[in-house]
Amino acid sequence: SQQGEEDPQALSIQEGENATMNCSYKTSINNLQWYRQNSGRGLVHLILIRSNEREKHSGRLRVTLDTSKKSSSLLITASRAADTASYFCATDDGYSTLTFGKGTMLLVSP
Amino acid sequence: DAGVIQSPRHEVTEMGQEVTLRCKPISGHDYLFWYRQTMMRGLELLIYFNNNVPIDDSGMPEDRFSAKMPNASFSTLKIQPSEPRDSAVYFCASRLTGGGNEKLFFGSGTQLSVL
Repeated sequence: SQQGEEDPQALSIQEGENATMNCSYKTSINNLQWYRQNSGRGLVHLILIRSNEREKHSGRLRVTLDTSKKSSSLLITASRAADTASYFCATDDGYSTLTFGKGTMLLVSP
Repeated sequence: DAGVIQSPRHEVTEMGQEVTLRCKPISGHDYLFWYRQTMMRGLELLIYFNNNVPIDDSGMPEDRFSAKMPNASFSTLKIQPSEPRDSAVYFCASRLTGGGNEKLFFGSGTQLSVL
C-alpha cells in the first residue's frame, strides 16, 4: 500500500526558478527519504530526514518535515534542465522497508 | 564498487514463458529488496532478504512469482508462467545496516514486456 503521496503529480518550471514538491504520509515514521529517478534509470537517494529533525539542507536541496501534519516538502532552488526527473518520497517506519509514493514529475525548461 | 547490477536490462517474452531476472547487490550490503514499478501502482515492494534469508514476501502478487538469494552476491526473481499484466520495470535495491545509513541503492532495473 502507498504510504507517501506526492503533490503535485507534475510540475513544469523554467530554469532558475525554484521547485517545491510535497509529500504526505499516514503512519508514524522513523525517517523520510527523497529519491530522484531519471527516465529509464533506477532511483537515486537524495536526502534523508529523521523524525526528530525539522529541516535539512544538501546543496540546492532543502527538505522540511512536519510530523504533526505528517508531511514533508522538497525544495530545489535555482533549478536546472538537468533536474528534470521524477521525485519520490519514501517513508521508513523502522521495520526495515521503505514505502514509496507515486512521485512528482518535474520538467525544467531551458 | 559498480553499484547494484541487474540483468537483463530489457526482456520481451510471450505469455506463458518463464522469466528470470537477476541481481547482484553491492558487496557487503546485508539487505536486498525487489520492487516492481508501474504507472498505475507506482513502486511496490515484492520481497526482501536479510543476510540471504527471505524476510517478507507478502508483496509477491501470486504463486507464479518466486525469489531466491543463494548467496550474498546474487538474487533471482522468477515468474512462471508469465502473463501480460506482469509487464513492468523490476528493480533490485540493496542496503547496508547500521551507522544510521538507511538509504537504498537501486539497480537500473529490468524492463519486462510480456506479449
